[in-house]
Amino acid sequence: NAGVTQTPKFRVLKTGQSMTLLCAQDMNHEYMYWYRQDPGMGLRLIHYSVGEGTTAKGEVPDGYNVSRLKKQNFLLGLESAAPSQTSVYFCASSSQLAGEGPGELFFGEGSRLTVL
Amino acid sequence: GQNIDQPTEMTATEGAIVQINCTYQTSGFNGLFWYQQHAGEAPTFLSYNVLDGLEEKGRFSSFLSRSKGYSYLLLKELQMKDSASYLCAVADSNYQLIWGAGTKLIIKP
Repeated sequence: NAGVTQTPKFRVLKTGQSMTLLCAQDMNHEYMYWYRQDPGMGLRLIHYSVGEGTTAKGEVPDGYNVSRLKKQNFLLGLESAAPSQTSVYFCASSSQLAGEGPGELFFGEGSRLTVL
Repeated sequence: GQNIDQPTEMTATEGAIVQINCTYQTSGFNGLFWYQQHAGEAPTFLSYNVLDGLEEKGRFSSFLSRSKGYSYLLLKELQMKDSASYLCAVADSNYQLIWGAGTKLIIKP
């Protein structure tokens, strides 16, 4: 019953450092997403993928890169972290495109990133 | 611009009924979703409405009025475990999800 797994759960970075968040899903979903969640704001889509080898920009893509080399994995990279990227990051997956019909998003437990 | 409005916080008593409202202004409409998120945890799906009316699922019901740009989530027979944030999200004309900031529901004994 793993569902969507994110690693790491917590990370503290210094400004300018780089890191990668890993998301893995075992539900054979085509669609995967990276969101960030900040206090007082709704979830904001960073990047998403509609299938292996494809990625697309979401609402707030600047400062992030992604890759989907395998269907079950979706990686989020920060090349040069900034304090504005302090947030909780959620990965999600779905069997149909989010927003199309009743299909639900399955979220990971979240990764709390602090950039000093 | 696109906007989803929800109350920031609500308080209710165990065993009572609470209604959490969501109003939206989006470029097009292709459905409205409610998710529950316990503190420090992942959001989980509660309901989906695309047609006007009430959808009931156990103790939870969700209502939609597309002409008014309005939805509510109704929680009956409140339990302490219902203390959580409730997120409203609307799919716009491009099927992109626009999320509200969430309503934190506090249940008191």
